[in-house]
Amino acid sequence: EPEVTQTPSHQVTQMGQEVILRCVPISNHLYFYWYRQILGQKVEFLVSFYNNEISEKSEIFDDQFSVERPDGSNFTLKIRSTKLEDSAMYFCASTSGTANTEAFFGQGTRLTVV
Amino acid sequence: GENVEQHPSTLSVQEGDSAVIKCTYSDSASNYFPWYKQELGKGPQLIIDIRSNVGEKKDQRIAVTLNKTAKHFSLHITETQPEDSAVYFCAAKATGFQKLVFGTGTRLLVSP
Repeated sequence: EPEVTQTPSHQVTQMGQEVILRCVPISNHLYFYWYRQILGQKVEFLVSFYNNEISEKSEIFDDQFSVERPDGSNFTLKIRSTKLEDSAMYFCASTSGTANTEAFFGQGTRLTVV
Repeated sequence: GENVEQHPSTLSVQEGDSAVIKCTYSDSASNYFPWYKQELGKGPQLIIDIRSNVGEKKDQRIAVTLNKTAKHFSLHITETQPEDSAVYFCAAKATGFQKLVFGTGTRLLVSP
């Protein structure tokens, strides 16, 4: 079965440092997403990406965040200057379309900011 | 914006019993309602979904019901097994939007 893969599985970083989280979506999917889950809380939408541009973003996704599809397979989330409150599990997801199609999630990257 | 409430937060049942998890949503424009199962250390995995033109959908031991008038939908798991133990999330999505709005999750524990 096709799957979304994320690397690394766990990232520890110093406050103020930049981090890049990486994702390889399912190959024939067109829409890509980042969600985050703070420990013990609900999964929250960050951003969606289609046709090489951001198509929707939440209030959480401020200027410290950026996304990129640097090549035909990877999809990245960059946090420019990490804060303690950025510590969370970050999930990448992809869908083949937006018309109520199944979103496939990766296994997540646990980001710990110290 | 959309807000999804989910109850209960924890649910303990004996193996073989049924489990029911309920969610309510606020945006009447929502028309897609998936349910995800999240096991420890893994990402959410879709187990069943329902669209607003359908009132009920069943897949083996799991079923989902939708009441558009009341804006609530429920997950029903029958003949529960220990491997059903996980956190379950409901979600909602509105036409014209790409994001899923998740509920707060229900930790289901099935005891042998």
